[in-house]
Amino acid sequence: DQQVKQNSPSLSVQEGRISILNCDYTNSMFDYFLWYKKYPAEGPTFLISISSIKDKNEDGRFTVFLNKSAKHLSLHIVPSQPGDSAVYFCAVNTGTASKLTFGTGTRLQVTL
Amino acid sequence: DVKVTQSSRYLVKRTGEKVFLECVQDMDHENMFWYRQDPGLGLRLIYFSYDVKMKEKGDIPEGYSVSREKKERFSLILESASTNQTSMYLCASSLFPSGSTQETQYFGPGTRLLVL
Repeated sequence: DQQVKQNSPSLSVQEGRISILNCDYTNSMFDYFLWYKKYPAEGPTFLISISSIKDKNEDGRFTVFLNKSAKHLSLHIVPSQPGDSAVYFCAVNTGTASKLTFGTGTRLQVTL
Repeated sequence: DVKVTQSSRYLVKRTGEKVFLECVQDMDHENMFWYRQDPGLGLRLIYFSYDVKMKEKGDIPEGYSVSREKKERFSLILESASTNQTSMYLCASSLFPSGSTQETQYFGPGTRLLVL
């Protein structure tokens, strides 16, 4: 059973527009959520995180929103740039020995 | 900056071979992790360790073992490589002691393993 789901395997957005990546989770006890970005042939890099005591966290062009009642988080990238083209993984800390559980990823393509 | 290095970027091995993947981190992190990444499946945790000589099974430990003799080094061992272990293997480390939920993991560049 997948605890973390990214239902869109891919997303294409025009440069300058907003990219919205979505993630759903199953357990309301999860309390720390992260987004990672991954380029081909590289390891994932940490992008932004949010604790369950907040509903929004912003870092430059990146904002993560958390809707606890819906068990849903989203990553907004505004404005999108071609260098943002990558695979984005959401992850949750399941509270067991610092383990992270990752979603299946969404491939974002930002077109010119 | 945290640096996590992996011994090889690409490896080609034959079925039945014993394979060692090495990972080293230079930030004195407590926790280290091994994942594999496959298309459509995301990152799946194989094993992790929160202290020297300690290891815990992740979600898909079958066919793998690990070794952590020193804090900075975490090795993944494929006892007898099989074609279904062809994958991208990613090592990660994190600072916080076991039990913390404010966790950020830092990843190495990955090893792409092909088992023929």
